[in-house]
Amino acid sequence: DQQVKQNSPSLSVQEGRISILNCDYTNSMFDYFLWYKKYPAEGPTFLISISSIKDKNEDGRFTVFLNKSAKHLSLHIVPSQPGDSAVYFCAASARSGGYQKVTFGTGTKLQVIP
Amino acid sequence: NAGVTQTPKFRVLKTGQSMTLLCAQDMNHEYMYWYRQDPGMGLRLIHYSVGEGTTAKGEVPDGYNVSRLKKQNFLLGLESAAPSQTSVYFCASSHQDRGQPQHFGDGTRLSIL
Repeated sequence: DQQVKQNSPSLSVQEGRISILNCDYTNSMFDYFLWYKKYPAEGPTFLISISSIKDKNEDGRFTVFLNKSAKHLSLHIVPSQPGDSAVYFCAASARSGGYQKVTFGTGTKLQVIP
Repeated sequence: NAGVTQTPKFRVLKTGQSMTLLCAQDMNHEYMYWYRQDPGMGLRLIHYSVGEGTTAKGEVPDGYNVSRLKKQNFLLGLESAAPSQTSVYFCASSHQDRGQPQHFGDGTRLSIL
């Protein structure tokens, strides 16, 4: 049972345009959502997060939107740059068994075309 | 500023061999994790630890064992390697507070022949 789903395995965007990466979840107990970026041959690195009590969080070119009623979140990158080409993982966190359990999506590979 | 360091980076094993993957973090994090990443599967949690001397099973623990004798180190062991354990293994660590991000190592690429 995949509790965190990234239904688009890949996405191509022109440099300078907006990239929108989507993530859906099923567990209403998730209280934090995080996005990670991963380059080849490297580990994932944290990008941005949002608490379930908010609907938007912004950090420079990156904005995460949370729609709790739809159990959907999205990451917007504006403007997109070639260096943003990477795999993006959505992750959701919930308290379980005394610790913060994190569930990752399967990732979306973003290609930003110069 | 090392962060999370994984050793080795690459390894090839024969079926039935054993090995230990090492993970070290220098951020004084309470939590540590081992994941495996397979194509189309995302990151799946193998085992985790919420503190020195404590470990627990994750989503896919079978065939693996772990130990956390020191706060900064988290070891992942394969007692009898199988081809199904061919994967990229990532170690991560984090503070225990809610919403804290995990910090990942660069991975160990393991092939079992």
